[in-house]
Amino acid sequence: DAGVTQSPTHLIKTRGQHVTLRCSPISGHKSVSWYQQVLGQGPQFIFQYYEKEERGRGNFPDRFSARQFPNYSSELNVNALLLGDSALYLCASRLTGGNGYTFGSGTRLTVV
Amino acid sequence: AQSVAQPEDQVNVAEGNPLTVKCTYSVSGNPYLFWYVQYPNRGLQFLLKYITGDNLVKGSYGFEAEFNKSQTSFHLKKPSALVSDSALYFCAVSVLILTTDSWGKFQFGAGTQVVVTP
Repeated sequence: DAGVTQSPTHLIKTRGQHVTLRCSPISGHKSVSWYQQVLGQGPQFIFQYYEKEERGRGNFPDRFSARQFPNYSSELNVNALLLGDSALYLCASRLTGGNGYTFGSGTRLTVV
Repeated sequence: AQSVAQPEDQVNVAEGNPLTVKCTYSVSGNPYLFWYVQYPNRGLQFLLKYITGDNLVKGSYGFEAEFNKSQTSFHLKKPSALVSDSALYFCAVSVLILTTDSWGKFQFGAGTQVVVTP
């Protein structure tokens, strides 16, 4: 079975640009969450979606937005990129009734 | 509010020796605790979880963790470490959102780098 897949794996953007990161959950998983992991730190919660509705939002500015599609895949959008947005962005999915999340390998975003 | 502390930035152990990675937590209500491992340039891999029941939880790759409610701790252990266990380990706490049967956000610790020497 395919795990959680994220694209692209690596990305370089310039300050002020916009970026879209994509996540495909494991088949049947309806809950998707996004995390930001800055080098040397633990992942920080950004968003959680369940059945295409936002169920949680972390302490991130409005430049960060996300959505979940009818097939349960998800996009994370970041506008007006800052150098501090450079990080590994992790997507995780979970089966309803299951325990814990399965994480993807992440998208490494570098803002220059 | 929920929080997790991993007091050690790095743990060094010789191969074959016992390995312990410490974690303490703070959460309102019942804690749901997890351990994940991260290898370089990879995502997080699930090791084990505590939801309810026995305080000693067994997980993947020979790891186990002991839940101690009075000390609010959830230390990860392995009786005999391998060089291949060298990685970054994260403890996380979460809550269950009963209205959606879905986990809320995971609060991760800062991580502990484990170095196992031959």
